[in-house]
Amino acid sequence: NAGVTQTPKFQVLKTGQSMTLQCAQDMNHNSMYWYRQDPGMGLRLIYYSASEGTTDKGEVPNGYNVSRLNKREFSLRLESAAPSQTSVYFCASRKGGVGNTEAFFGQGTRLTVV
Amino acid sequence: AQSVTQLGSHVSVSEGALVLLRCNYSSSVPPYLFWYVQYPNQGLQLLLKYTSAATLVKGINGFEAEFKKSETSFHLTKPSAHMSDAAEYFCAVSAPFGNEKLTFGTGTRLTIIP
Repeated sequence: NAGVTQTPKFQVLKTGQSMTLQCAQDMNHNSMYWYRQDPGMGLRLIYYSASEGTTDKGEVPNGYNVSRLNKREFSLRLESAAPSQTSVYFCASRKGGVGNTEAFFGQGTRLTVV
Repeated sequence: AQSVTQLGSHVSVSEGALVLLRCNYSSSVPPYLFWYVQYPNQGLQLLLKYTSAATLVKGINGFEAEFKKSETSFHLTKPSAHMSDAAEYFCAVSAPFGNEKLTFGTGTRLTIIP
């Protein structure tokens, strides 16, 4: 019962470095999401993918890129990390379509940019 | 576009007292609404969801919420608080179809006073 798996769990980057956060789900869900969580700001949507091959911007997409590699995997890339991107990142998935169901979340990636 | 507003970033209640966490929504179409709970250093877990069936929704751990269209509200309640309820709670909204975007509020941290 893996659900939504995120890697890595922790990461420290230097300003200007790049990295990719990985997310995979085994529930055959159509929709996948990337959020960042910062104190007092709740979860803010970075990008989402309603189906394989499609991606859409959320509230805070600047500085990020995403790839929906296949139905299972949705990665988030930071091309040139900045201290403002220090945050906890959550990936989520849900079945989607008519009668949208709830989203299932991974355990998060705690990213620090120094 | 859909959005939710959570009133009160911090709420404290005594053990055994009523828990009331407020959520108001804005949506151009009848929304789907969700409450999630997050325990320290964990991902988000669904408490309950409203998907246009019964307006009073019961969830896990004794929580319930009532959808009130006239007040555009979906407040979360529990009759008697338990120490284990201490956590952060998030309200979320999505459209029932046609748009897979899932938007969260800023969260309410619940503290239980022994």
